[in-house]
Amino acid sequence: DAKTTQPPSMDCAEGRAANLPCNHSTISGNEYVYWYRQIHSQGPQYIIHGLKNNETNEMASLIITEDRKSSTLILPHATLRDTAVYYCIVREYTLGQNFVFGPGTRLSVLP
Amino acid sequence: DAGITQSPRHKVTETGTPVTLRCHQTENHRYMYWYRQDPGHGLRLIHYSYGVKDTDKGEVSDGYSVSRSKTEDFLLTLESATSSQTSVYFCAISESGQRPYEQYFGPGTRLTVT
Repeated sequence: DAKTTQPPSMDCAEGRAANLPCNHSTISGNEYVYWYRQIHSQGPQYIIHGLKNNETNEMASLIITEDRKSSTLILPHATLRDTAVYYCIVREYTLGQNFVFGPGTRLSVLP
Repeated sequence: DAGITQSPRHKVTETGTPVTLRCHQTENHRYMYWYRQDPGHGLRLIHYSYGVKDTDKGEVSDGYSVSRSKTEDFLLTLESATSSQTSVYFCAISESGQRPYEQYFGPGTRLTVT
């Protein structure tokens, strides 16, 4: 019962912005959108999260549509070290609830 | 990076033997989690803990048990390892407080059951 849909893979040129889409058309009002990434053989790394408004931190920006049915993670200047699998996750703001990781998007940053 | 360590990092064991994996945190976070990751399945929650001696089952808990006698340590035990438990195991932690509870993951333990 996947709550999100992501493309299985994407390519991006080094130095360019990487825009990773996520569809979450069944999101409910109390569910947040989280993004994680996993670099080969490492543990998942938290990137960013949001509820309604767009968010930005030192790693990325998160753009959430007004109807909240989709979002885009933006890496403004992708580097080779950003090559990873990126996971979009929807979950409630509830301590103790697990994160359900789907297959994600495999981003390849090309030189 | 959050202070999370897992031990061992790699282990090969035989079918039927008991195995214990350890997760240790230095962040004093209340919640700890054990996940397994297999090709084609993403990450799946095995068990989690919401405090010392307080644990609950996740999505794929059969064949696993956990214990948490101290805030900083969360142990995952395979009572009698099977080949289907060959996987990469990740521990995660999350804090209580005002932030919406993002989880921070350890480096993982690669377990092979022969």
